[in-house]
Amino acid sequence: DTAVSQTPKYLVTQMGNDKSIKCEQNLGHDTMYWYKQDSKKFLKIMFSYNNKELIINETVPNRFSPKSPDKAHLNLHINSLELGDSAVYFCASSQDAINSEAFFGQGTRLTVV
Amino acid sequence: GDSVTQMEGPVTLSEEAFLTINCTYTATGYPSLFWYVQYPGEGLQLLLKATKADDKGSNKGFEATYRKETTSFHLEKGSVQVSDSAVYFCALISGGGADGLTFGKGTHLIIQP
Repeated sequence: DTAVSQTPKYLVTQMGNDKSIKCEQNLGHDTMYWYKQDSKKFLKIMFSYNNKELIINETVPNRFSPKSPDKAHLNLHINSLELGDSAVYFCASSQDAINSEAFFGQGTRLTVV
Repeated sequence: GDSVTQMEGPVTLSEEAFLTINCTYTATGYPSLFWYVQYPGEGLQLLLKATKADDKGSNKGFEATYRKETTSFHLEKGSVQVSDSAVYFCALISGGGADGLTFGKGTHLIIQP
């Protein structure tokens, strides 16, 4: 039973399109995150969401918006996709935002053509 | 802001060799420290963690000790196997944790038979 699952695993789309990536965790965790991994494997936090409080990394374009229908889900919606958005996006969750480890999903490889 | 510096590799070793991957950090307060591993095509998995000074995290033969005086968390393994080939990430979380994990750039480890 997958702890953090995200769909789709692969997403190929054209520039200018709008797309969503879904994430669900069945661990009962309070905090969820989205990370972006670039072509050089560098990982950077995009958002964290804890008890309806959203923390946004200031470098993330406002074309990216997280949506959380409930504590177990944190979806990522991207408007007007650009070539530079191509990356692997990871969803993660943790029991709390302080010392507990994060559990990661398998990643979504987004390719914008 | 917080930062993590680790050797980038690739690091190529023969099976049964001794492994050290260096990691140093800069953070406010007293961060928790982690090593994550990413196998090809997969998400990140927690390898080990330490939450306070002088703690030693260990798992699957890997060890790392939280050294506050040198702000380091070096990863070691006495005898590596081909199956250890992966990308290893040093990471920290500090403060209230709402900013998520801060990752190093990852070290690609290649173990040759």
